Formats: sequence, structure tokens, C-alpha cells
Amino acid sequence: RKEVEQDPGPFNVPEGATVAFNCTYSNSASQSFFWYRQDCRKEPKLLMSVYSSGNEDGRFTAQLNRASQYISLLIRDSKLSDSATYLCVVNPGGGFKTIFGAGTRLFVKA
Amino acid sequence: DTAVSQTPKYLVTQMGNDKSIKCEQNLGHDTMYWYKQDSKKFLKIMFSYNNKELIINETVPNRFSPKSPDKAHLNLHINSLELGDSAVYFCASSQGQYNSPLHFGNGTRLTVT
Repeated sequence: RKEVEQDPGPFNVPEGATVAFNCTYSNSASQSFFWYRQDCRKEPKLLMSVYSSGNEDGRFTAQLNRASQYISLLIRDSKLSDSATYLCVVNPGGGFKTIFGAGTRLFVKA
Repeated sequence: DTAVSQTPKYLVTQMGNDKSIKCEQNLGHDTMYWYKQDSKKFLKIMFSYNNKELIINETVPNRFSPKSPDKAHLNLHINSLELGDSAVYFCASSQGQYNSPLHFGNGTRLTVT
């Protein structure tokens, strides 16, 4: 089993739609969790950290379920500019090593 | 003001050559990393340095040698380049604590012919 697994997609949604991505992780001792966004031929950029109680940043909501070992990202009112690859990122042991999922591609269409 | 900068942006070279990629960060972070993103877009950690000390060395051929002259710089030297080394190499830095996010450079696209 991979340390961090994501549905690769692609997800094709119309503008204004709500879309959700899930990510599972294998190490129950994982300490910290993030969602990154990567545009085509660009570097990954932090979208948001994921906190135990869940957190929201504008149209984006992140949730953590430790019992089931998954995190989720919800995007409301999708914009064309949300088209990108979304990377689930986990720090499995509290050290310096950070594991990236393979990413989920999102296409938002007019 | 670029936070993490790496050079060159593009590198095209022939098999068997030796090449270097340089990375510098001005964020005052203690920890720097090299990641490789292959053609399937999977990002894999290669090395990490914390305060100039090597702390992560994943299963990477010893043709790859990182060097950190100070905590703001982390360079990557690759000997005897092979076709399979073609990828995008990203440098990153973080504050070093487990809950600190990574800040990436804009990548070096290496093509080995």
C-alpha cells in the first residue's frame, strides 16, 4: 500500500460546481497534513494546512479523519483558475520527511 | 524577491556528462530539500539537509551528490548522467518543524539525450 494515495482523476467540472478530493495515508502516527496545488509546468504551492478540527479558507475546506486515516479537500463555486493538480501531503513521523501523493487533476470548464 | 531560487531553469545535456544544479533560499529556513518529479508527475524526496547536516538520503544512486555550503544553499551534483535522470528537480526549504510547509523553487527541467 502506498504511503499516500489519491484518486488521480481527472475531475472535469463546470464553473460553479462543488468538487471534493479524498486522500488516504497509511501511517497512523502521521503528524501533519497539507494540500498543495501545482499548475502545469510550475512548482507546487501550499494551498492550506489541514488541522484536526477541520479548517476553511474562502471557498476551500479541508477535513482530517484520523480514525479512517484520510483527509479531504472541498472546493465550492469552482473557478476556471482552480484548474490544476492538487497534491495531498503528509508528514508521517514528525520528522523532516514529507510524502506527496501522486496528485488529483482538476479541470474546471466554462 | 524570490524566496527559493534554483538555477538553471533548463538543462539539456548528453549521457555521461556531469552537471550541477544550484539552490538558494532567503527565507532563513533551517532545512532544505531536493525533490525529483518524473514524467508521471510523482514528486519524490531525494535528500534533505538541516543546518548543513544531511538528514534524509533516500534510495538515490550515488551518482547524485548534494552539498550544502551553508544553510541557505543546497546544490545537487550529478555524475555520469543517464537517460532516466531526465525529470524536473525541485529544491525546497522549510522551517524544519514537522508542521512547517515546504516552499519550492521553480524547478530545473533536466533533459538527458
